Amino acid sequence: AQSVSQHNHHVILSEAASLELGCNYSYGGTVNLFWYVQYPGQHLQLLLKYFSGDPLVKGIKGFEAEFIKSKFSFNLRKPSVQWSDTAEYFCAVNARQAGTALIFGKGTTLSVSS
Amino acid sequence: NAGVTQTPKFQVLKTGQSMTLQCAQDMNHNSMYWYRQDPGMGLRLIYYSASEGTTDKGEVPNGYNVSRLNKREFSLRLESAAPSQTSVYFCASSELGGGSSYNSPLHFGNGTRLTVT
Repeated sequence: AQSVSQHNHHVILSEAASLELGCNYSYGGTVNLFWYVQYPGQHLQLLLKYFSGDPLVKGIKGFEAEFIKSKFSFNLRKPSVQWSDTAEYFCAVNARQAGTALIFGKGTTLSVSS
Repeated sequence: NAGVTQTPKFQVLKTGQSMTLQCAQDMNHNSMYWYRQDPGMGLRLIYYSASEGTTDKGEVPNGYNVSRLNKREFSLRLESAAPSQTSVYFCASSELGGGSSYNSPLHFGNGTRLTVT
């Protein structure tokens, strides 16, 4: 079964700082990878996804993530964070085979101070 | 377009009581899911239904049952609530399921905050 690890539980940054949130997964086969964001009091929304092709994927709001297959990683990055990026971020993976569902990491809380 | 609708939004139960959380989607999605979200634990999959007529256990199915009533609706039942089931429950749906699940980001409902005393 697949699993997902997010290394940072809580990250605190000032506005304009750069962001990188780590995500590693464990699964030997082909996977689909996602980052979701949950703003305070809201439900989860898709930030970006990787299925195949260019390992550097761009999502909404200036976020991007890089899939490094050899490291089983899918780290999320943003060059310059804003106060409005304060949220909880979840990495998720599902094995590309019949009948599987999306498995989430435990989440990283990002707090951005203005 | 409502998307994924969950009811109720809030619920307080006493230990041993039963209740059903309702979920409906109007996007004609094949797959539906129930997750619970707890602080420091992220989202954990309780049950899912890859397509109408099928249900499968997720990571934490104990204490729950589900029913895929039709393509639109997927309910979660707690037969005898326990304090450990205090959580926020999210229903989600995706367009494709089974072997085509790779093309399907999840669409989430707004959640049900359940407290069991």
